[in-house]
Amino acid sequence: AQSVAQPEDQVNVAEGNPLTVKCTYSVSGNPYLFWYVQYPNRGLQFLLKYITGDNLVKGSYGFEAEFNKSQTSFHLKKPSALVSDSALYFCAVRDRGGATNKLIFGTGTLLAVQP
Amino acid sequence: ETGVTQTPRHLVMGMTNKKSLKCEQHLGHNAMYWYKQSAKKPLELMFVYNFKEQTENNSVPSRFSPECPNSSHLFLHLHTLQPEDSALYLCASSQERTGEHNIQYFGAGTRLSVL
Repeated sequence: AQSVAQPEDQVNVAEGNPLTVKCTYSVSGNPYLFWYVQYPNRGLQFLLKYITGDNLVKGSYGFEAEFNKSQTSFHLKKPSALVSDSALYFCAVRDRGGATNKLIFGTGTLLAVQP
Repeated sequence: ETGVTQTPRHLVMGMTNKKSLKCEQHLGHNAMYWYKQSAKKPLELMFVYNFKEQTENNSVPSRFSPECPNSSHLFLHLHTLQPEDSALYLCASSQERTGEHNIQYFGAGTRLSVL
């Protein structure tokens, strides 16, 4: 069965420093991986996805993610954090077991950027 | 705005009440989803509709009853809920095409409290 794990409940980083939010996955076959962000009192917003091709994927708001097949990871990164990046981040993998576009989400990582 | 509107934003109901959550998407998508988001847990997919047909029921109790009258509207009818059903209920939509890996767009959610 497909699954994703986000090992950190919370990540704290100072504004201007680089940030990393970790995600590992377990799938059979090639993974289709996604990152979403949830700001307070809002729904989830798509950030980026990896389907195939270049292992470094660039997304919205200056975020990028690196697909690493040998480590089964898809960590989210940003070179310089902003206070406005503080939010809940979800990693997801597409469930390829059925005909529908099912996404399997991790438990989320709260990113707190201190000024 | 994501193009997916959910009403009401907040709902408090007793265990014997009957209420409905509404979702409307203005994106011309052909698939719609209901998710349940509880603290410290992964998002739980509840129902999936493709072209108004239910294609996924993720072992959801019968006290939750979905309805999709057309591809733009999705309802979640609630009756005799339990306190553990208190959560944020998220609606999402996507445009499904064979062979593509489509982004899901989320509404802001309905915060449900069952007393």
